Amino acid sequence: AAGVIQSPRHLIKEKRETATLKCYPIPRHDTVYWYQQGPGQDPQFLISFYEKMQSDKGSIPDRFSAQQFSDYHSELNMSSLELGDSALYFCASSLAAPNPNNEQFFGPGTRLTVL
Amino acid sequence: AQSVTQPDIHITVSEGASLELRCNYSYGATPYLFWYVQSPGQGLQLLLKYFSGDTLVQGIKGFEAEFKRSQSSFNLRKPSVHWSDAAEYFCAVGRVSSNTGKLIFGQGTTLQVKP
Repeated sequence: AAGVIQSPRHLIKEKRETATLKCYPIPRHDTVYWYQQGPGQDPQFLISFYEKMQSDKGSIPDRFSAQQFSDYHSELNMSSLELGDSALYFCASSLAAPNPNNEQFFGPGTRLTVL
Repeated sequence: AQSVTQPDIHITVSEGASLELRCNYSYGATPYLFWYVQSPGQGLQLLLKYFSGDTLVQGIKGFEAEFKRSQSSFNLRKPSVHWSDAAEYFCAVGRVSSNTGKLIFGQGTTLQVKP
């Protein structure tokens, strides 16, 4: 069965650079969530989209932006990278409207290292 | 504020022994409760979830969890642990009847299995 695809899987950037993370949800899933998991930390919710509109926002820095495109894939854009942005970034998708009742399927994550 | 606490950061059990991972939550409303497992380098996989009804829920891989409202707990159990169960386990909470699907995770418990 198709799963959530994230690219790249690994990314190394210098401070103050920009990065773009991509997420391709499971086919027919129209909701996408982004989470950030720092080293030894629990995943923290960043932002979510439903039908190409932002549905909720968590602790996402102003330096980050995200969007969901017409094919439902999503991109997380990160600018002015800081050392503290080094983390594993998960994308999850679910079918239908954002609601905990709709199971979120997680991708393998993108590991971002900022040097 | 909503929060999830997993009191045990690291647990070691012998293969074949029983397992219980603790999870306590603080929530102003009826929560949806989840347990996820994360193997090294992998995304989060849903083990089981509780929405309503029977407070003892069965999940995949032989896991079960019991919701105890009076104790604000949702502990994960397995009667006989296998070496392949070694991983990190996250308890998470979502908000019932909300238009947001965001999950709040606990700090995680790392399970080590001794042969």
